[in-house]
Amino acid sequence: DSGVTQTPKHLITATGQRVTLRCSPRSGDLSVYWYQQSLDQGLQFLIQYYNGEERAKGNILERFSAQQFPDLHSELNLSSLELGDSALYFCASSVADRSPGETQYFGPGTRLLVL
Amino acid sequence: AQTVTQSQPEMSVQEAETVTLSCTYDTSESDYYLFWYKQPPSRQMILVIRQEAYKQQNATENRFSVNFQKAAKSFSLKISDSQLGDAAMYFCAYRGAFNTGNQFYFGTGTSLTVIP
Repeated sequence: DSGVTQTPKHLITATGQRVTLRCSPRSGDLSVYWYQQSLDQGLQFLIQYYNGEERAKGNILERFSAQQFPDLHSELNLSSLELGDSALYFCASSVADRSPGETQYFGPGTRLLVL
Repeated sequence: AQTVTQSQPEMSVQEAETVTLSCTYDTSESDYYLFWYKQPPSRQMILVIRQEAYKQQNATENRFSVNFQKAAKSFSLKISDSQLGDAAMYFCAYRGAFNTGNQFYFGTGTSLTVIP
């Protein structure tokens, strides 16, 4: 158990809908990262927040957005869902903002299926 | 842009034997970190081992070791005395120390099967 929690574990929805994925980082971690893992693919970095502020953006679609709240939990919002958005979405956390050698601890992921 | 390539989609190894998983990367940065993550069927991402580019010595964690060849931009993972619990997807990842320090770049993974 990494200490990072993600809810829900599974989500099934229809095209065009909007969903919210939730992540609670490890106690003491200020950075939250979101990743997307499509079928048979590696993880694609989406976005990072540090202490409530956006720090880095990767290959995140405009239909997707995220935020980090004062209690440091983060939410990833996916809207106008398409079939291709079906994937495993991971959240990871770490203590620092830009400490590349630091370990990122991954949550168990949310599996999203868009029908 | 940084790219990470894992050219072996699938590998297999006999229990108790040794297997090496390959990874190459492309970067123009001088300082960076390399990682191997394991993803078992549970889908949890677990850090296996980490290498700092400025360190000459190859990292070792129990049965796991790396062969880091900086000039060749190669970072292979060796698993010794393979166990059934080693069966998983293994991802190589890169993280730059400067401009790209905020994000990981992952390879597409190698699926390792351990044969009893």
